[in-house]
Amino acid sequence: DGGITQSPKYLFRKEGQNVTLSCEQNLNHDAMYWYRQDPGQGLRLIYYSQIVNDFQKGDIAEGYSVSREKKESFPLTVTSAQKNPTAFYLCASSIEKEIYGYTFGSGTRLTVV
Amino acid sequence: GNSVTQMEGPVTLSEEAFLTINCTYTATGYPSLFWYVQYPGEGLQLLLKATKADDKGSNKGFEATYRKETTSFHLEKGSVQVSDSAVYFCALSKTGGYNKLIFGAGTRLAVHP
Repeated sequence: DGGITQSPKYLFRKEGQNVTLSCEQNLNHDAMYWYRQDPGQGLRLIYYSQIVNDFQKGDIAEGYSVSREKKESFPLTVTSAQKNPTAFYLCASSIEKEIYGYTFGSGTRLTVV
Repeated sequence: GNSVTQMEGPVTLSEEAFLTINCTYTATGYPSLFWYVQYPGEGLQLLLKATKADDKGSNKGFEATYRKETTSFHLEKGSVQVSDSAVYFCALSKTGGYNKLIFGAGTRLAVHP
C-alpha cells in the first residue's frame, strides 16, 4: 500500500545536538511538506518542496534545514539553533492538483532532554 | 489573504449528541475545502472534502456542505460516539500556483459516555 512513513516515532535529543527526522513516501507525489505542532496548537509550516532539488521556507524555518535529493525523501534536520525544538513534527505530501489535499505521516515526537 | 477560522474548543458532548463544528473561510477564487481529523498521538487523516460550491462531503457519518454565499464549511454529525474524540482541522486549498493547504487552528472534541 502506498503511504508516507516518518521515523522514528519518538526521538530524544540533548541540547546542542542536531537531529534528523526521516520522511519517505511511495505515493509518487511531487510535493512534500514539514509542519510543527505544539501541544494544543495548530500546524505551522516549516519547509516545503515542490520538486526534487528545490525547497522553500515556510513560516517558521529558522533553526531547521531540509534536503530533497530524491522524490521519495524529504528529511528535516533540527539544528542546535532551534531554541524550542520540543514538538510534534508532521510530514505530508501531495500532487499538484489542489482538490486532492495532503497525505500525512504519523508524526515524530521530538523531546529535548 | 486566504484564511480559515474555526470555533474554539474544546467541544464536550455526551455520546449520541448532535455535533456542529463551525468553519468559515476567506479566499480569492474558488478553493477546495477539507476537514481533517487527528487522533491522539497520530498524524492528520482526511475526513471529507468538497471542491465546489454546494458540494456536500461525507464520510463515517460526518457531513459538511460548501456554502459560498456564507463562506462556510461547517462539520456535522447526527450522533457522536466516544471514538470520535479527536482534534478536527478545517482547511482550504489555495487555487493557482502550487497546492498549498491553509489550516484552521483545530477544534478539540471530547465525547463522554
